[in-house]
Formats: sequence, C-alpha cells, structure tokens
Amino acid sequence: DSGVTQTPKHLITATGQRVTLRCSPRSGDLSVYWYQQSLDQGLQFLIQYYNGEERAKGNILERFSAQQFPDLHSELNLSSLELGDSALYFCASSSLGVSDTQYFGPGTRLTVL
Amino acid sequence: QQPVQSPQAVILREGEDAVINCSSSKALYSVHWYRQKHGEAPVFLMILLKGGEQKGHEKISASFNEKKQQSSLYLTASQLSYSGTYFCGTAPPSGTYKYIFGTGTRLKVLA
Repeated sequence: DSGVTQTPKHLITATGQRVTLRCSPRSGDLSVYWYQQSLDQGLQFLIQYYNGEERAKGNILERFSAQQFPDLHSELNLSSLELGDSALYFCASSSLGVSDTQYFGPGTRLTVL
Repeated sequence: QQPVQSPQAVILREGEDAVINCSSSKALYSVHWYRQKHGEAPVFLMILLKGGEQKGHEKISASFNEKKQQSSLYLTASQLSYSGTYFCGTAPPSGTYKYIFGTGTRLKVLA
C-alpha cells in the first residue's frame, strides 16, 4: 500500500459525458502527478501540482483539467469524453518535486462506451 | 520524443542477470526507474540525478551516463518477483516535471 488513494476504482460512462477522478496523496506529500496509461500509448504524464499550484504540464488535452485543493487532494476532470479516453489514470505523490520518490495510487480504470 | 528502452522483452531463469537500457534523444536531468506488474500501479525503484547521485530502496543498481543521455538498470540474481514491465522516466534539464516515460521492457523470470 503506497498511501496514495484514488477513487473511484472503476468508472464506466458514455461518450460526451464528464467525469471527475479523485486522488489523495500520502500524508505530508506536497506534489501530485496525474498519468494516463493506455494500451497503445503507454504511460503518459499529464500534469503536476505542487502545494496547490500547477507546476508542469505534459500531454494533457484541453478537455481535461485538474486542480489541487488546500487539503492537497487533487481532482482530474475529463469532459466531452471520447472512446479514446478509455485508459487507466494514475495519480502519484511525492514529498517535494522531481528529485523525489513518487508513490503511485492504485489507479482509476475509465471505460468510455 | 519518447525514450527508447531495450530490450523490448526478456525472459530469464531465476538467478540470472539482466540489463535494461533507456536512451533519450534529449539531454536529461534525472532518470527514474519503475516496475509495473500487470493490472497494478507502477512501483518506484530508483532515481538517478545529474551528477551521479542515486536514490533507491531496492537491491537494484543503475547507471546514468549524462553525456550519452542513457541509463541502464541492472538486475542481478533475478527472482520470480522481478517479473513485470520496467519503465524509465526522464526529465529534461529545465528541472520542471515535463516527464516522459520510456517504451517499456517486459521481463519474465521463470523458475
């Protein structure tokens, strides 16, 4: 158990819908990272937040947005969902930033029908 | 551009050694290594920073050649539990976390 929690574990929805994925980092960790893993594209970094502020952006679509709240939990919002958005979405946390160990949550499996 | 890992897949017997390589076309600041078992989250193995500092928590070693923009992960005396897919993750010199993961190496250890 990494100490990072993600909800829900599974999510099945229809194209065009909007969903919110939630992540609670390990106690004391200030950085939260979101990743997408699909069969054809492997692991892709989406976005990083550090203590409530956006720190870095990767291959995150404009239909996707995220935020980190004062209690340091984070949410990833996916809107106008397409079939290609079906993937595993992982959240990870670290105490500070890029030089620190990242601990991954169990992931949310999103299926768009 | 995604770092290229080699080999793509490898099968070992218990007790054998393996080397997994990660090559980037861009300059690197740090390299992270992860292992992911099927259906599970990636687990951090090792971080290598520019300048040679290493941080890790398992009995696995790695090297980072900044000039060649390459890193290698060394698995010695492999155990069944080493099976999984290994990813390198690389960050550029800017220090920001614009992270890119490698193509992955599937490793299977047989009894």
